[in-house]
Amino acid sequence: DTAVSQTPKYLVTQMGNDKSIKCEQNLGHDTMYWYKQDSKKFLKIMFSYNNKELIINETVPNRFSPKSPDKAHLNLHINSLELGDSAVYFCASRAGVEQFFGPGTRLTVL
Amino acid sequence: AQSVTQLGSHVSVSEGALVLLRCNYSSSVPPYLFWYVQYPNQGLQLLLKYTTGATLVKGINGFEAEFKKSETSFHLTKPSAHMSDAAEYFCAVSERNTGRRALTFGSGTRLQVQP
Repeated sequence: DTAVSQTPKYLVTQMGNDKSIKCEQNLGHDTMYWYKQDSKKFLKIMFSYNNKELIINETVPNRFSPKSPDKAHLNLHINSLELGDSAVYFCASRAGVEQFFGPGTRLTVL
Repeated sequence: AQSVTQLGSHVSVSEGALVLLRCNYSSSVPPYLFWYVQYPNQGLQLLLKYTTGATLVKGINGFEAEFKKSETSFHLTKPSAHMSDAAEYFCAVSERNTGRRALTFGSGTRLQVQP
């Protein structure tokens, strides 16, 4: 059983489009995160939800909107995609200290 | 604000040699400390973590790290490198005293293992 899953794994789209990435965890954790890994492999926190409540919202363009329908799911919607949004997006969930990461979604904006 | 510095973006060792990956952090309060490994086109896997207690922590795949508060360091070591250790390694910290616990990552170190 996959603990943290993301769909899709790869996403190729044109500039200006709107896309969503979905994340699901079956670990029963209350807290979930979105991280962005850029082309230089640098990882940075974007958002976090705790039991459906937004608790972290870093300096991310408001074209990015997270949504948590329940504590097992945290989706990321991106409007008006730009070339600079090309990256790998990782979802993670946490109980206690340790975070468990999903496999990532590689987004390519053409 | 916390920050993490990993010295050396690339480290190359011979198979069987000692692996040493360096990590220093900056934080007003000693944070939780982590090492993650990322194999090509894969997600992040936790190697080990330091929360409290013994400052030498052992992780998976023969890796260990030592927390040195006076040096604000958490260097990762492995006595004998294996070809399968070739990957990207990330040091990370998270705050102790909040419920946020977002990870702040270093810039990563790519480990190459030469036959």
